Amino acid sequence: GGIITQTPKFLIGQEGQKLTLKCQQNFNHDTMYWYRQDSGKGLRLIYYSITENDLQKGDLSEGYDASREKKSSFSLTVTSAQKNEMAVFLCASSIQGWEQYFGPGTRLTVL
Amino acid sequence: GDQVEQSPSALSLHEGTDSALRCNFTTTMRSVQWFRQNSRGSLISLFYLASGTKENGRLKSAFDSKERRYSTLHIRDAQLEDSGTYFCAAEAGGGSGNKLIFGTGTLLSVKP
Repeated sequence: GGIITQTPKFLIGQEGQKLTLKCQQNFNHDTMYWYRQDSGKGLRLIYYSITENDLQKGDLSEGYDASREKKSSFSLTVTSAQKNEMAVFLCASSIQGWEQYFGPGTRLTVL
Repeated sequence: GDQVEQSPSALSLHEGTDSALRCNFTTTMRSVQWFRQNSRGSLISLFYLASGTKENGRLKSAFDSKERRYSTLHIRDAQLEDSGTYFCAAEAGGGSGNKLIFGTGTLLSVKP
């Protein structure tokens, strides 16, 4: 089996700050994803990447950047944190076209 | 855009009872995945289906193989540890790039 790790677990930022979230997987999966979950809601796709150095926009990409540095890692940057923003960011990976596996999430709070 | 409609939004069951969750899709989907999210926020994959049915213990899921426009998750003999939020997510295939579209979730509470 494999595992997906996300760092940090909790992230507190200031309005306007640039914040970076990291994700690592050891499944050797091709495709990695970043989702955002607001309280009481389903997940929405921000970015995904089907191979190293590839980047595809999801439905919620505005205000974010992403980088697939190598096959095992995918990072997400909040380009300018919004005041009072609170959400959970979930990373996932899969063999392309198959079941997605999720990490434990990063909880963001912006003061 | 493509939508996933999940019902019910909340469900309360007594231990030992059975129930079912359902997701309808506004378009034909290639596959569906069911998840349970626990109180810590961890999303655990329960089933991945490209067609037919799958069963795991007291859980069983089905994906309509003809129209490919709905899926169900059946819970048999509900236990306290089944409590949590259940999500379905579907992939449209084609040019969608393996993007999952999530339902809004079912908050399940199992009581003694």
